[in-house]
Amino acid sequence: EVQLVESGGGLIQPGGSLRLSCAASGFTVSSNYMSWVRQAPGKGLEWVSVFYTGGSTYYADSVKGRFTISRDKSKNTLFLQMNSLRAEDTAVYYCARGTVTTASPFDYWGQGTLVTVSS
Amino acid sequence: DIQMTQSPSSLSASVGDRVTITCRASQSISGYLNWYQQKPGKAPKLLIYAASSLQSGVPSRFSGSGSGTDFTLTISSLQPEDFATFYCQQSYRTPPTFGQGTKVEIK
Repeated sequence: EVQLVESGGGLIQPGGSLRLSCAASGFTVSSNYMSWVRQAPGKGLEWVSVFYTGGSTYYADSVKGRFTISRDKSKNTLFLQMNSLRAEDTAVYYCARGTVTTASPFDYWGQGTLVTVSS
Repeated sequence: DIQMTQSPSSLSASVGDRVTITCRASQSISGYLNWYQQKPGKAPKLLIYAASSLQSGVPSRFSGSGSGTDFTLTISSLQPEDFATFYCQQSYRTPPTFGQGTKVEIK
């Protein structure tokens, strides 16, 4: 059974750093592209970053230069290092698995981890 | 970035109603369009991929159509468990972008 479990969220002051983890089971993270998607309170979905199977990474303009996506094959885990956090980064962060099916949808999502940036 | 615009932003409907949600892309995305359902406090769930393909395990009352810039999600007979927010998402270009969502509420 495919499962994604995020952790690492919490309350952090503006300018601080957090590292989110997404532990995968039932499949290999290196065999699928993996993304982080966030949702601010009461708002819609916003894509944050992707780690493609070949190792290339991309970021939303809103987080470029502050966030870094990575993966650990040995732990079958995806990470999101978030630096220089701002109030507008407050959101539930989901990791999502992308498929190689036509249109590459996100077919599995974690339960999300809440990041609150506030003084 | 490709902008995705959904309409309506919300709607009220009754159990048994036929419901249609539209999604328009700011440029042609061929058939690279996916639909998700999200219930409060839960992660999104994939319903339709590649504009019209039903994800495994999703009831057949859900269907999708369209290509190019205009797409629709149809629920043929709304059920109590279908009240939720629905999002379209394009995967034609990075960054993938979502519509703003359509909230389906009980009339």
